Formats: sequence, C-alpha cells, structure tokens
Amino acid sequence: ETGVTQTPRHLVMGMTNKKSLKCEQHLGHNAMYWYKQSAKKPLELMFVYNFKEQTENNSVPSRFSPECPNSSHLFLHLHTLQPEDSALYLCASSQEMGAKNIQYFGAGTRLSVL
Amino acid sequence: DAKTTQPPSMDCAEGRAANLPCNHSTISGNEYVYWYRQIHSQGPQYIIHGLKNNETNEMASLIITEDRKSSTLILPHATLRDTAVYYCIVRRANNAGNMLTFGGGTRLMVKP
Repeated sequence: ETGVTQTPRHLVMGMTNKKSLKCEQHLGHNAMYWYKQSAKKPLELMFVYNFKEQTENNSVPSRFSPECPNSSHLFLHLHTLQPEDSALYLCASSQEMGAKNIQYFGAGTRLSVL
Repeated sequence: DAKTTQPPSMDCAEGRAANLPCNHSTISGNEYVYWYRQIHSQGPQYIIHGLKNNETNEMASLIITEDRKSSTLILPHATLRDTAVYYCIVRRANNAGNMLTFGGGTRLMVKP
C-alpha cells in the first residue's frame, strides 16, 4: 500500500464512451501526476498539478482532460478515445516539486479501448 | 536532465547480491541519481537516490563512482519478489517541472 489509490483498476470502453479515472492520495502531498505506460514503451508523463494548479501538459491530446479539485484528488476524464490509447494509466503524488522529492505511485488503471 | 543507459535484462540467483549498473556520463553537478522499480502489474516504487556519496537504506545500496558518470544499485540478498524492471533516472536539483523521465530500465529476473 503506497497511500495512492486508483480506481477503477480495470476499464474497458468504446470509442464513443465517456469515462473518468480517479486517483486519491492519503499522504498529505501537494503535487499529483498522471503517467501513461503503453505496452513495450517507457512511462510517459502526461500532466502535473502542484497545489491544484496544472503546471505541466506534456502535449497530451484534448480527448484526455485532467481535473484536480483539491490536493488529494486527481481525475482523468476520457472521451472519444482511440484504440491506441489503451494503456496502463498511473497516478503519482509527491510532497513538493523539485529533485529531492520522491514520487509515490498508485497501482494504475489498465484501460482497454475497443 | 542527463540520459541514462542500462542493460535491458539481467539474471540473479536467489540469495545472491544483484548489482545493477547505470551509465550517466553526461550528468552535471546538481543532478541526482534516482532508482525506482516496477513489479509486474504495479506502479513504480521508489528505492533510493543520491548525489555524490554512496547511500544505503533498508532496500538497497547505491554506489556512485567518484566522477559520477556511473552508478550501481545493489540488492544485497535478492529474493524472488525482487523480480522487476529497475529504472535509473537522473534529475536536476532545480527541476521545477518535477518530471521523472523513465527509460527502458533493466528487467531483473531472480531465479531459484
């Protein structure tokens, strides 16, 4: 148990569906992140939030829409996804920005787009 | 952030020390070396980090060469549960974006 909880763990959706991934951290951290891990590819950073403000958008398509209502919760809203968006989506949190901090990851949501 | 190079895979016998190398020849003075691992179907897990000196914690030891161009992660007594992909990452001390740039890592297989 890392203190970062992601739901659901598995999700299957059609290309016309709208779904949301949820991440909650119980560590009192101020920064939260979304990563994408496709098969046989390194993890890719998608979004960074620091104190609820988005500080990084790594050229992610608009069909992925993040939301951070408070420092403990992070959502990733999905709509009109493509089959190539099938991947493991990982959430992480850290106490602060900067190189000395440590990121704690959730177990991920495995998404399949049909 | 400096790029890292790791062997794609390694084997280790259970109970023996696992020594995972990482080259970061372009590392600069204010960049830290971090190690994470990812067990199958789980999120990455922090292991250890260091700047110049060798570091040890309950999980592993980190040995950084004097010129800081390479490092070795040591798991002193590998168990089957240490089978995972191990990532070596170099990050600046003023990395305001706080990005972890993951490469391919080393897939460590611990065998009975």
